[in-house]
Amino acid sequence: QVHLQESGPGLVKPSETVSLTCTVSGGSMGNYYWSWMRQSPGKELEWIGFIHWSGSVNYNPSFESRVTISLETSKNQISLKLHSVTAADTAIYYCARGDDSSGYGDHWGQGTLVTVSS
Amino acid sequence: DVQMTQSPSSLSASVGDGVTISCQASQDIGTSLNWYQIKPRNAPKLLIYDASLLASGVPSRFSGRGSGTHFTLTITSLQPEDVATYHCQQYDNLPLTFGGGTKVDTK
Repeated sequence: QVHLQESGPGLVKPSETVSLTCTVSGGSMGNYYWSWMRQSPGKELEWIGFIHWSGSVNYNPSFESRVTISLETSKNQISLKLHSVTAADTAIYYCARGDDSSGYGDHWGQGTLVTVSS
Repeated sequence: DVQMTQSPSSLSASVGDGVTISCQASQDIGTSLNWYQIKPRNAPKLLIYDASLLASGVPSRFSGRGSGTHFTLTITSLQPEDVATYHCQQYDNLPLTFGGGTKVDTK
């Protein structure tokens, strides 16, 4: 059974870059899309973007100017870098696996909380 | 972006009751709709994909219906372990978008 585990710094200062990692175990990374989502307190879930195992990426226009998603297949990891963070970026960040027939989210990690505060 | 509107935002029902949650899309999305269950500190779980197909391992008391712009998730006999927040998500168009969630509790 595939398992996804997010990890990150927990606390980040405003204007800094938050770097998160999603480690995949129990399954292949091949032929899937790997997404990052987030949910801020009191807000809807937001899709940040995804990367296909081939390397092609799509970003939500709301984040496109300050986000980078990449794959490190040798480590079975997907990374997210979100630049120039503000308090509005405080959220639980999730990674997810899927394909276009399952709506890109058939397995998710349990999420990692990122708090942006000085 | 496709806007997804869920209702109600919360509900409370007795164990054994039937429960229905609605999700409305701002444009026709065909059947490109997922339903997820989210419990605090747990990984979100895919329940239904393609509007009506049950994901692997999901109990048969969960069912989904709809196409176009109106969709429903039904729990035929609410169980204590179903206490959670439920979200719809469309994948017909990028960016992927989610409904605001329905918090389900037991009386």
